[in-house]
Amino acid sequence: NAGVTQTPKFRILKIGQSMTLQCTQDMNHNYMYWYRQDPGMGLKLIYYSVGAGITDKGEVPNGYNVSRSTTEDFPLRLELAAPSQTSVYFCASSIEETQYFGPGTRLLVL
Amino acid sequence: DQQVKQNSPSLSVQEGRISILNCDYTNSMFDYFLWYKKYPAEGPTFLISISSIKDKNEDGRFTVFLNKSAKHLSLHIVPSQPGDSAVYFCAASFYNTDKLIFGTGTRLQVFP
Repeated sequence: NAGVTQTPKFRILKIGQSMTLQCTQDMNHNYMYWYRQDPGMGLKLIYYSVGAGITDKGEVPNGYNVSRSTTEDFPLRLELAAPSQTSVYFCASSIEETQYFGPGTRLLVL
Repeated sequence: DQQVKQNSPSLSVQEGRISILNCDYTNSMFDYFLWYKKYPAEGPTFLISISSIKDKNEDGRFTVFLNKSAKHLSLHIVPSQPGDSAVYFCAASFYNTDKLIFGTGTRLQVFP
């Protein structure tokens, strides 16, 4: 049981490039989330999903897109990378109120 | 508008002593509170939680206290161990929703 896995662990992007952050969970959780954490700050919710085919915006959705075609996968898409998107990104899944997090993806946009 | 606040960015405690981490919140509609622990280069891991209908929850060395009138919760770790050195996040959620609102974290250092 791997829990929540994220790839890649680290990525450098140039301004304007696009990429997809991958997230997979094997716990059969319906709820999944994407957060970003900036230095000295708490986690901010980007997008979340309550099940396959259903997604909704969180607190900071601008510049990101998501899809949820299966229960297991919840990829996060950056279309036009900007320096303000330099951050650490965490994916999580939950059962009831407890969320389980992946190890994170560190993204640097230059 | 920070609805969940952790006003102490860091805390240093000697091994064997008690660590007390504090968290304040502004929204009285929060229904559930959680503490997460985070080591460097890892994702947060769930530590302990408390429902708004309780004022205390204990799990081994970890106890969370909730004071609803003061909109305050605290995490007590006793005795503190060097392996407890990490960043601790307080989080809160509203009734019937799994969305969490996180505080900014407190870095705990436990020294020998």
